[in-house]
Amino acid sequence: GAVVSQHPSRVICKSGTSVKIECRSLDFQATTMFWYRQFPKQSLMLMATSNEGSKATYEQGVEKDKFLINHASLTLSTLTVTSAHPEDSSFYICSARDRTVDQPQHFGDGTRLSIL
Amino acid sequence: GNSVTQMEGPVTLSEEAFLTINCTYTATGYPSLFWYVQYPGEGLQLLLKATKADDKGSNKGFEATYRKETTSFHLEKGSVQVSDSAVYFCALKETSYDKVIFGPGTSLSVIP
Repeated sequence: GAVVSQHPSRVICKSGTSVKIECRSLDFQATTMFWYRQFPKQSLMLMATSNEGSKATYEQGVEKDKFLINHASLTLSTLTVTSAHPEDSSFYICSARDRTVDQPQHFGDGTRLSIL
Repeated sequence: GNSVTQMEGPVTLSEEAFLTINCTYTATGYPSLFWYVQYPGEGLQLLLKATKADDKGSNKGFEATYRKETTSFHLEKGSVQVSDSAVYFCALKETSYDKVIFGPGTSLSVIP
């Protein structure tokens, strides 16, 4: 079945550094990918919709300059958390949908980001 | 706007007990409905789906029926196992949009 790979699964870094998270669709092409943030014991909050070859669409309240999204190909989207601070610590999950068929989104396994 | 409401957890059941997790939604048009499951420390996995009224989604012993008249999509399983312990998310997707809206999630713990 369709698989979405997210890397890294866990990252710990110092405050002020930038962290890049990759999301790849392994066996299908994804025109659109989605980035979510999940706080402990809470639901997923959509941060942005990533469109291949164009700018991402951010949800209200999400800082575009803090969370940079690049979707350079039909199988790869990246989320870069710039100048990360402890409040950015969270679980980030990406998802992708096969553009050729009407299928629900497939999710990556998530990235646990911890900023010290 | 579109929204999904789920019963609050956590839910704790004994092994082999019957499970129901209620889900109701508000949407314009005719959305597709989903149940996703999240095991500890992992991403979400699609458990089952239904795309139109009266459809029944089923997988791994779980079932849910799309009820348009009550705008509900309750998740049921006749006999839960310890391995079913996870967080369950009800979700909807409008036909015209890719955006998926999730409910708050319901944590299920099954004890031996």
